Amino acid sequence: RKEVEQDPGPFNVPEGATVAFNCTYSNSASQSFFWYRQDCRKEPKLLMSVYSSGNEDGRFTAQLNRASQYISLLIRDSKLSDSATYLCVVNMILDSSYKLIFGSGTRLLVRP
Amino acid sequence: GAVVSQHPSWVICKSGTSVKIECRSLDFQATTMFWYRQFPKQSLMLMATSNEGSKATYEQGVEKDKFLINHASLTLSTLTVTSAHPEDSSFYICSAHPQLAGTRNEQFFGPGTRLTVL
Repeated sequence: RKEVEQDPGPFNVPEGATVAFNCTYSNSASQSFFWYRQDCRKEPKLLMSVYSSGNEDGRFTAQLNRASQYISLLIRDSKLSDSATYLCVVNMILDSSYKLIFGSGTRLLVRP
Repeated sequence: GAVVSQHPSWVICKSGTSVKIECRSLDFQATTMFWYRQFPKQSLMLMATSNEGSKATYEQGVEKDKFLINHASLTLSTLTVTSAHPEDSSFYICSAHPQLAGTRNEQFFGPGTRLTVL
């Protein structure tokens, strides 16, 4: 079983749509959680951290359910520029050190 | 703030040569830097954790004698791919963990180096 699992997509949605991505993680001792965005042939960029109480940043809302080991990202009013791969990332202690574990990413295509 | 640079951004080399990739934190000090590799349509895989002034810690399956890491200062880590072969062709990305990052352990990523071995 992968440590961080995501639906690879692609999600093909029209501009203005609302789209949600889900992610599950296997290590219950995971410390912190993030969503990163990666454009084609570029490095990942931090989109937002994910907090237990849920958090919102403009059109983006992230939720964390520790009991279910589940993380979500909601994008409202999709823009063409939102087209990218969204990486679910979990910071966990492995071999006595903190490590970022990346999901394989969910690809989003926003069409005009 | 929190800018990480990598050099070169891309490199093409012949099989058997060695390639050095530099990772620099430009506006902060990083006691820890990480090296990742990403093959096409796959996720980032951690190769090694580089700590300033000490030996790097390699992930299982990563050959330490093939991927030499040096972290001589708080702003610079280098990865040398020795005797590169076509299967080493990949996107190599470094990240840096600021010295005073607090508990969330955020990492800031460099722009990556695309290595093609002919």
